[in-house]
Amino acid sequence: QVQLVQSGAEVKKPGASVKVSCETSGFIFSAYYIHWVRQAPGQGLEWMGLFRPSDDYTIYGEKWRGRVTMTRDTSSNTIYLELSSLRSEDTAVYYCTRSVLTPHTHYFDPWGQGTVVTVSS
Amino acid sequence: EIVMTQSPAILSVSPGERATLSCRADQSVGSNLAWHQQKPGQAPRLLIYGASTRATGTPVRFSGSGSGAEFTLTISSLQSEDFAVYFCQQYDHWPLTFGGGTKVEIK
Repeated sequence: QVQLVQSGAEVKKPGASVKVSCETSGFIFSAYYIHWVRQAPGQGLEWMGLFRPSDDYTIYGEKWRGRVTMTRDTSSNTIYLELSSLRSEDTAVYYCTRSVLTPHTHYFDPWGQGTVVTVSS
Repeated sequence: EIVMTQSPAILSVSPGERATLSCRADQSVGSNLAWHQQKPGQAPRLLIYGASTRATGTPVRFSGSGSGAEFTLTISSLQSEDFAVYFCQQYDHWPLTFGGGTKVEIK
């Protein structure tokens, strides 16, 4: 059974960093991209970037460059999203999801359960 | 980036009725268009990809159509479990982008 299980909720102060994990199982880790998508309260979905576990290749959305880092744990099938210099506008639910490696097939299935990140002083 | 516009923002429909949701791109995305369903407090779930291919587990009452810049998601006969928010997503160009969503509510 394909699963993406994310870490628990976080509360951070402005200026701090947060690191969210996404543990995957049930599929060949290196055969997919892992994406991160965020959703601010009451808002739509916003793609942040992707990570390719086979070679650590990344694409970050232009809005996030300089503040976001995606990495993996070499001993487990876990991907991490780190977001730095947090501000109140970063309060959102962060989702990991996957897509296959074939070009033009970046539709997302399935999704992790989401991680709530709250930025507040 | 490609801007995806969904309409209407809110669609009020009675159970058993047909619902038609629209998604428009500001440039062609070919058939590289997906639809996701999101219920309150839950993660999104893939319904349709390739503009018209149902994902595993998607009921046949859901159908997608269109290509280029105009797409439609049709729910032929709304069931109680279909009241949710629906997002379209293009994956033809970077960055990947979503529409703002259509909330399907009970009339």
